[in-house]
Amino acid sequence: AQSVAQPEDQVNVAEGNPLTVKCTYSVSGNPYLFWYVQYPNRGLQFLLKYITGDNLVKGSYGFEAEFNKSQTSFHLKKPSALVSDSALYFCAATWGDKIIFGKGTRLHILP
Amino acid sequence: NAGVTQTPKFRVLKTGQSMTLLCAQDMNHEYMYWYRQDPGMGLRLIHYSVGEGTTAKGEVPDGYNVSRLKKQNFLLGLESAAPSQTSVYFCASRNLQGSFHEQYFGPGTRLTVT
Repeated sequence: AQSVAQPEDQVNVAEGNPLTVKCTYSVSGNPYLFWYVQYPNRGLQFLLKYITGDNLVKGSYGFEAEFNKSQTSFHLKKPSALVSDSALYFCAATWGDKIIFGKGTRLHILP
Repeated sequence: NAGVTQTPKFRVLKTGQSMTLLCAQDMNHEYMYWYRQDPGMGLRLIHYSVGEGTTAKGEVPDGYNVSRLKKQNFLLGLESAAPSQTSVYFCASRNLQGSFHEQYFGPGTRLTVT
């Protein structure tokens, strides 16, 4: 079965430190990969996506993600975390008309 | 340009009642989606539409019906609500064919079924 896994329910990082939110996928073929962010009581907002080409993609708010085909991973990263980055982050994979979301990782940035 | 809007924002239903959730987008998007979000479950796709007059089942379609009579609107109906349908419902849309396009989400509808 196709799936997207976010192995950590919550990630805690001190402000100013680098952060990583992990995502792995098990989808046949070559899916497109996305990260979305959800702030409290809001809908999801698009952060970045991988379509093809450079394995390091840059997105909104200083976030970037590294695609690794051999490990089927698409980890979200930021060099220096801000308290305002605290939110719920979702990884997603799409192919054709299909889409699967991971279960989400809550990122908590400690002041 | 309001993007994706959802009506209502909150609703409480009794078991067995019916209701319709309305999603509207003003971006002329072809594709529209309905998801439900439950704690620890992420987002699960209920139904989607690839254009006016078309609908298709997603991962969790049972107990829901949808209609896309106009391109800008996508309606989600619950004919006989059950407590298991207590959730936050999100509508989303995206442009054109090609699943490399990102989706735009509405603010959500919080539904409680007692």
